[in-house]
Order: sequence, then structure tokens, then C-alpha cells
Amino acid sequence: GAVVSQHPSWVICKSGTSVKIECRSLDFQATTMFWYRQFPKQSLMLMATSNEGSKATYEQGVEKDKFLINHASLTLSTLTVTSAHPEDSSFYICSASATGTAGYTFGSGTRLTVV
Amino acid sequence: GENVEQHPSTLSVQEGDSAVIKCTYSDSASNYFPWYKQELGKGPQLIIDIRSNVGEKKDQRIAVTLNKTAKHFSLHITETQPEDSAVYFCAASKPQAGTALIFGKGTTLSVSS
Repeated sequence: GAVVSQHPSWVICKSGTSVKIECRSLDFQATTMFWYRQFPKQSLMLMATSNEGSKATYEQGVEKDKFLINHASLTLSTLTVTSAHPEDSSFYICSASATGTAGYTFGSGTRLTVV
Repeated sequence: GENVEQHPSTLSVQEGDSAVIKCTYSDSASNYFPWYKQELGKGPQLIIDIRSNVGEKKDQRIAVTLNKTAKHFSLHITETQPEDSAVYFCAASKPQAGTALIFGKGTTLSVSS
């Protein structure tokens, strides 16, 4: 079945630095990639939607200059958390969908801790 | 936009009992309703899904029912086992390409032996 590989699975960074999270679709072309954030004991909250080759669409309240999304190819999307602060510590999850196919494939998530 | 409400937030059952989790959605245009199981520190895992042209779907001990008129859908787990303990999320999406899933707040299911 469809697989999305997300890396790293966990990362610890210092406050003020940037962190990049990668999601790769291994056996299908992800025309759309979704990025979610999940705080402890809470649900998955949609951060942004990106279509290959286009600028991402961000949800209300999500800073586009802080959370940079690149979806330059049909198999790779990246989320860069710039100038990270402790409040950005969270579980980040990507999800991919392909045109003409049903369903969504989720990555395994990235636990970001900013110290 | 779409809003998905999920109840209960926690559910404790004895092994072998049934568990039912209910969700309602607000956007009548939504037509895809998956259920996910999430274990601690992992991404969500799809366990069953249903589309709006179907009223019920079953896969072994798991079933989902959909009432489009009332805009609610439910997850039914029979003969629960301790390994069913996890957080379960319902979600909904519209048929347009590139539309994101919107999730409910989750239900923490605990199955005691």
C-alpha cells in the first residue's frame, strides 16, 4: 500500500534555531500534502495544505513565515520551523493524497522539542 | 468550514465488551469519513472508513455506521481486547481534490482485562 516516510522521528533543538522535517511518498505521487500539529492529549490540527509546485495555503493563525513549507516535487514535501521557540514543541505529522485516488496516507510523525 | 464533534472523550470497558464512539459533522458536503487509531508517539493508523453512498461497513470486529441525514457516524468495536486501548479519532473531508481531513478531538479507549 501507499507509504509516506517522515524524518526525523524526533529532534531536539535549541531555541532560535531552525528545524527541517521531511516527508516522502515512497510508492505514489503525492499531489497534495497536508501538515498537522498535535499537542499532547489533543487532536491533529491542520496547519497548511500544499500542492506540488504551488505555494502552501495556511490555516488561520499559522504563521507562514515561521512554518515554511516546500512541495517542489510529487514525492517530497518539507516543513521548516524557523527560529523555533519552546512553544513550538509539538508532534508534527504529514499526510499525503494523490489525485484520482481515495484516502490519505500519514507519516509516522516528528516529535520536536525546543529547549 | 467543517467542524467535527466526537464523544465521549474517554471510554473504559471490560475486555470482551463492545465500545461505541460517535461523531457529528457540520458540512453536508463532506462525503468521506475515516477512523484512525493512534498509539502514543506514533502517527494515526487508518482502521476503517466509509463514504456517503454507504450506510454501514464492517471489517471483522470493527464497524462504522453513517447517517447522512443526521450528519453523524459511529465506530463500533466488538469483543474488545486490551490491545484495542489507544486514542481513536474520527475525521471528515469533502470530495474536492486537495481537501484536508478535519479531525474530531479524539477518544481515549481503555480496555481492562
